[in-house]
Amino acid sequence: DVKVTQSSRYLVKRTGEKVFLECVQDMDHENMFWYRQDPGLGLRLIYFSYDVKMKEKGDIPEGYSVSREKKERFSLILESASTNQTSMYLCASRPDRGLDEQYFGPGTRLTVT
Amino acid sequence: ELKVEQNPLFLSMQEGKNYTIYCNYSTTSDRLYWYRQDPGKSLESLFVLLSNGAVKQEGRLMASLDTKARLSTLHITAAVHDLSATYFCAVDRDSNYQLIWGAGTKLIIKP
Repeated sequence: DVKVTQSSRYLVKRTGEKVFLECVQDMDHENMFWYRQDPGLGLRLIYFSYDVKMKEKGDIPEGYSVSREKKERFSLILESASTNQTSMYLCASRPDRGLDEQYFGPGTRLTVT
Repeated sequence: ELKVEQNPLFLSMQEGKNYTIYCNYSTTSDRLYWYRQDPGKSLESLFVLLSNGAVKQEGRLMASLDTKARLSTLHITAAVHDLSATYFCAVDRDSNYQLIWGAGTKLIIKP
C-alpha cells in the first residue's frame, strides 16, 4: 500500500512564525503536491514538484515556499505565518506512470493565532 | 478555462433512496478520478475511470465516464448513512500530473 505521511495532524502557531510542514511518501513517486483546503473553496494547489529540487507554482503560491531535497520528502514552508493561512494542508504524491491517481496524506490542520 | 463542475454541491437524502452526482469537465482528458472525504479526514480514492464508457462499481456506488459528453456520474443505490461524506471528482490537467478538482458534493444521508 502507498503510504503518505505528514509530520503533524494538528499545529498551532503564532503570527510571524516560520512554519515547516513535512510530507514523506514511501512509494518512490516522482510527483508530489501541496494543497490547502478551506470550506467552500475546495482543494487549491499551492506547489507541485516533479523531481528532486524541481518545483512549480500552483494556483496560490503566495506566502509559501517548498523544498524537495530527497525524492521521498516534500516540505512546505510558511516564511512568516499569517492568520489567513489557517487551513487544512494536504500532501499528495503520484507516480510518473500517469494512470495512477494521487495518493493523499492524512492532512495537517494548521491554526495561526 | 480548464474547469470541473460538480452538481449538486450539497445533497441531503433519506436512507434507501437512489441518487446521482454529476461531474462535468472542460478538458479533453480521458481519465477521471473520484475521491471520498469524511469530515476532518483526508481524501481517499474511490474510482479511477480510464476511458470512454468505463464503469466501475463498489458496493452501493457506481461511477461511469462519457468522454464525448465530458461527463462522469456517481450513482448511489439504496443509500445508507455510512455513505455520508464529501465526494470530489478530478481530471488530469494536460500532461504534468496535476489534477483539476471539482468543488465537491457534500452528501448527507439521514437514517
